[in-house]
Amino acid sequence: AQKITQTQPGMFVQEKEAVTLDCTYDTSDPSYGLFWYKQPSSGEMIFLIYQGSYDQQNATEGRYSLNFQKARKSANLVISASQLGDSAMYFCAMREGDTAGNKLTFGGGTRVLVKP
Amino acid sequence: DGGITQSPKYLFRKEGQNVTLSCEQNLNHDAMYWYRQDPGQGLRLIYYSQIVNDFQKGDIAEGYSVSREKKESFPLTVTSAQKNPTAFYLCASRRWGSYEQYFGPGTRLTVT
Repeated sequence: AQKITQTQPGMFVQEKEAVTLDCTYDTSDPSYGLFWYKQPSSGEMIFLIYQGSYDQQNATEGRYSLNFQKARKSANLVISASQLGDSAMYFCAMREGDTAGNKLTFGGGTRVLVKP
Repeated sequence: DGGITQSPKYLFRKEGQNVTLSCEQNLNHDAMYWYRQDPGQGLRLIYYSQIVNDFQKGDIAEGYSVSREKKESFPLTVTSAQKNPTAFYLCASRRWGSYEQYFGPGTRLTVT
């Protein structure tokens, strides 16, 4: 079974509007964390936001917020007030457990194109 | 400026040759990672190292080798045993006690 699933291969969003990127995960470990990374066309991976399984509040970082629904095993990324520079691939990733090197498992990504 | 450097950005090799990809960080991070990305896909873990002189296999280690002789450096060798070496390779590092991994700019390897 896929550990991280991103069901939206691509989406368009109008500049200044909000967009939600879906991510569902599968783990039996009680301690885990979810990450979102942005990958522009240059290829580098840019860390956006992190949510731990024991965190009570949903994580926020500027225009990024993580809608964490533990019972549904979902960790959707919300980007508010989209900008042209937000056009990129977005990847959801998960770490499991507190040992074994904090390895990350990545989803297949969602391509976002912001329209002016 | 602190960061992670990978060189070169583009690398071309003939089939049957080993090639070594460089990854250097001056962030004083303890852990370092190598990932592979194929077109239109997410990243997959090749190897990782949490301390100097120690490293572990990731999900797709076959055909690759690494070394960690210095904290700042974690080179990856793509051997001739790797069946499909053409890919985008990303190196990352992480500070001890933190969960976030920070990535270098990547090396695009083409083997013909």
